[in-house]
Amino acid sequence: EAEVAQSPRYKITEKSQAVAFWCDPISGHATLYWYRQILGQGPELLVQFQDESVVDDSQLPKDRFSAERLKGVDSTLKIQPAELGDSAMYLCASSPDRGYTGELFFGEGSRLTVL
Amino acid sequence: GQQVMQIPQYQHVQEGEDFTTYCNSSTTLSNIQWYKQRPGGHPVFLIQLVKSGEVKKQKRLTFQFGEAKKNSSLHITATQTTDVGTYFCAGEGNFNKFYFGSGTKLNVKP
Repeated sequence: EAEVAQSPRYKITEKSQAVAFWCDPISGHATLYWYRQILGQGPELLVQFQDESVVDDSQLPKDRFSAERLKGVDSTLKIQPAELGDSAMYLCASSPDRGYTGELFFGEGSRLTVL
Repeated sequence: GQQVMQIPQYQHVQEGEDFTTYCNSSTTLSNIQWYKQRPGGHPVFLIQLVKSGEVKKQKRLTFQFGEAKKNSSLHITATQTTDVGTYFCAGEGNFNKFYFGSGTKLNVKP
């Protein structure tokens, strides 16, 4: 069964360092989402891509976060510099198409701890 | 902005008891989805409701979508230890943007 791949699964870093997360959605899925989930809370949308274009990044802290999906396939989310409050699970999800209204397929997530 | 509120935050039940979680949106939703997240895991899709007043069942799980498409509920009959996890609703607004509730963490005591 096709899955959304994410790496790394775990990342520990010190404050002010740079971190990057990678996501490979299910093959053929045009829409890709990055969510942040703080422990005990629901996922919060950071950025949504349709192919290589950003559809929504209104909740992305752009002073330190960046996201790209250059070829419309895999995606990278970067944080520079990391802050203590960035400790969270970063979840990637994909869906077939912007017009598709069905389930989001989530990856296993990347858990970030900032010391 | 759009918000999806979910209650209760936690629910502890004895195995065999029923469980219900409620989801309320500040605006009308296109549809609502429900996800289950096991401890240490990622959200896994359970179901989607689209029509006003819709009711769907999956074995012991019953899902409802309100008439105004602003609220929803998930009811589990006769809980089992395998039901342990956090249940999230996710309401879809414009442009396939999904707003997740804060989740209800269910603990089932054997």
